[in-house]
Amino acid sequence: DGGITQSPKYLFRKEGQNVTLSCEQNLNHDAMYWYRQDPGQGLRLIYYSQIVNDFQKGDIAEGYSVSREKKESFPLTVTSAQKNPTAFYLCASTPGFNTEAFFGQGTRLTVV
Amino acid sequence: GIQVEQSPPDLILQEGANSTLRCNFSDSVNNLQWFHQNPWGQLINLFYIPSGTKQNGRLSATTVATERYSLLYISSSQTTDSGVYFCAVEPPGTYKYIFGTGTRLKVLA
Repeated sequence: DGGITQSPKYLFRKEGQNVTLSCEQNLNHDAMYWYRQDPGQGLRLIYYSQIVNDFQKGDIAEGYSVSREKKESFPLTVTSAQKNPTAFYLCASTPGFNTEAFFGQGTRLTVV
Repeated sequence: GIQVEQSPPDLILQEGANSTLRCNFSDSVNNLQWFHQNPWGQLINLFYIPSGTKQNGRLSATTVATERYSLLYISSSQTTDSGVYFCAVEPPGTYKYIFGTGTRLKVLA
């Protein structure tokens, strides 16, 4: 089945630790995205990547890092510099410009 | 940057009622999508509708790009329609979707 897989579904970490969220797609899409959603709020763009080995900051990139070494993978690292990391993280992909976006099922990160 | 506003922010309906959700955007866009976020957080694609009108069962959507708005119609609502509805737009020359503030819908049995 084609789709976007995010893992894990739930993640708990201690404050001060870095954590990496996984996003894999087998849709052969060029572009991939990371969004953050806080309770009762909309989605805000963290980072996006149009092609392999290239990525751009979104609106709230501080405290996050990404890599795009393979077309199908776009992992997000939440670093200790992110002040309020507890949130719901959603990964998306699109075939390219002017196309429909598809989302994974999300990862709920809780930092204690 | 572009602003995307949705109305109403909250909506409560009795099962069987119809509703219209609105998405206004402040500048021209290349693309527009409607999503339904279910109680588990998953975003489900409803419509990819940069312009024109589309229908899918009880749901339909219309985008008037020249007037910078889109409407999502839900007819004969069911309790499973509950959740949050988002519109998202892609401004020209960008590779990214900007999300609206969402409409939280609750359908009562």
